[in-house]
Amino acid sequence: AQTVTQSQPEMSVQEAETVTLSCTYDTSESDYYLFWYKQPPSRQMILVIRQEAYKQQNATENRFSVNFQKAAKSFSLKISDSQLGDAAMYFCAYRSGRGGNEKLTFGTGTRLTIIP
Amino acid sequence: DTGVSQDPRHKITKRGQNVTFRCDPISEHNRLYWYRQTLGQGPEFLTYFQNEAQLEKSRLLSDRFSAERPKGSFSTLEIQRTEQGDSAMYLCASSLRTVNEQFFGPGTRLTVL
Repeated sequence: AQTVTQSQPEMSVQEAETVTLSCTYDTSESDYYLFWYKQPPSRQMILVIRQEAYKQQNATENRFSVNFQKAAKSFSLKISDSQLGDAAMYFCAYRSGRGGNEKLTFGTGTRLTIIP
Repeated sequence: DTGVSQDPRHKITKRGQNVTFRCDPISEHNRLYWYRQTLGQGPEFLTYFQNEAQLEKSRLLSDRFSAERPKGSFSTLEIQRTEQGDSAMYLCASSLRTVNEQFFGPGTRLTVL
């Protein structure tokens, strides 16, 4: 079974600074997808960024980028120019690339606080 | 609003009662997923549907839990004889076959007294 580990329960960053959230995962599969989801307080979960395992290039979405290290099974999220609206729980998630196995396996999350 | 909707948003019930939650996915999304999230944890997969067919069920889904998606559109999740351990946020998500992103609803928060 796949597992996802987020070792930082809480992180904080000064507004406009950069912060990196860590995620490691365990799988024996070679084809899979990795995601970072954001869950603001009392609001629904939204996708921040995704990475296909077969792609060597790290995904980037505006201020959000990932460092995907397939051999090390590491998938960290970097948030640049942090904004107050970035405050939320961030969840790393894994999905198998095997057809019919579409469930997401989540880590326990990292609570990100933005300091004005 | 064309996002995933869930009803009710909050449910308080007494132990032993039955509860039913509804999820309306994004129109034309043929995949629908249920997850459970307890305080301080990430969501845990419960079950998922492709159209009206229930394709996978987690071991977390005990015999007291049943989910349906009768016409391949909305879905219901019923919990019979609720227990205090069932208190959690129940999340619904939907996706298109050709897209890997799951879109989440706001969740139904269940409190069992």
